[in-house]
Amino acid sequence: GAGVSQSPSNKVTEKGKDVELRCDPISGHTALYWYRQSLGQGLEFLIYFQGNSAPDKSGLPSDRFSAERTGGSVSTLTIQRTQQEDSAVYLCASSLTRGDSYEQYFGPGTRLTVT
Amino acid sequence: AQSVTQPDIHITVSEGASLELRCNYSYGATPYLFWYVQSPGQGLQLLLKYFSGDTLVQGIKGFEAEFKRSQSSFNLRKPSVHWSDAAEYFCAVGPQTTSGTYKYIFGTGTRLKVLA
Repeated sequence: GAGVSQSPSNKVTEKGKDVELRCDPISGHTALYWYRQSLGQGLEFLIYFQGNSAPDKSGLPSDRFSAERTGGSVSTLTIQRTQQEDSAVYLCASSLTRGDSYEQYFGPGTRLTVT
Repeated sequence: AQSVTQPDIHITVSEGASLELRCNYSYGATPYLFWYVQSPGQGLQLLLKYFSGDTLVQGIKGFEAEFKRSQSSFNLRKPSVHWSDAAEYFCAVGPQTTSGTYKYIFGTGTRLKVLA
């Protein structure tokens, strides 16, 4: 079946512009995660959505970052007034949340470059 | 605090040699443990996972990992490395379902280089 997809695959934007990154999770997966991976760094948790519960936004680095998940499926990560330090690969993952299926499935990522 | 430590940032091995990548964790409950691999320009792919039961788990591509509760470790091993194994490897723990949170914690990764 289809995996997690993300768009665009690459995004170059000027400092100060807003960007939207999209994630299509695997159908039926109740949990959706956003991570940021800077050059040579590990995965930095940003936010996750679980079913109809309020999202856990504890990893968002500033109020310029926000995300929503519509209809329990597609998610959009928005970065307002982008800064050069926002340049990174943004990874989305989805998972089921039942006892034997906690593994995350990752998308290919969106590489964001802020000039 | 919950954490995952991968003490080796870079490892270089010769093709055909054995490999062990270290992972230590700090977690308040029985952990769910994962190893992921990220090839250049790719997303993360699950190599193997441990939930319960046999502490030696087998994964894809000939990898295995052993959960040692007493050492809070979940080291990844492969008896004979292939050039195609060159990639970055991430250890992860989570989710902590007893507290109702589904967050995962990732280590900073180990970059593996394979010499021909």
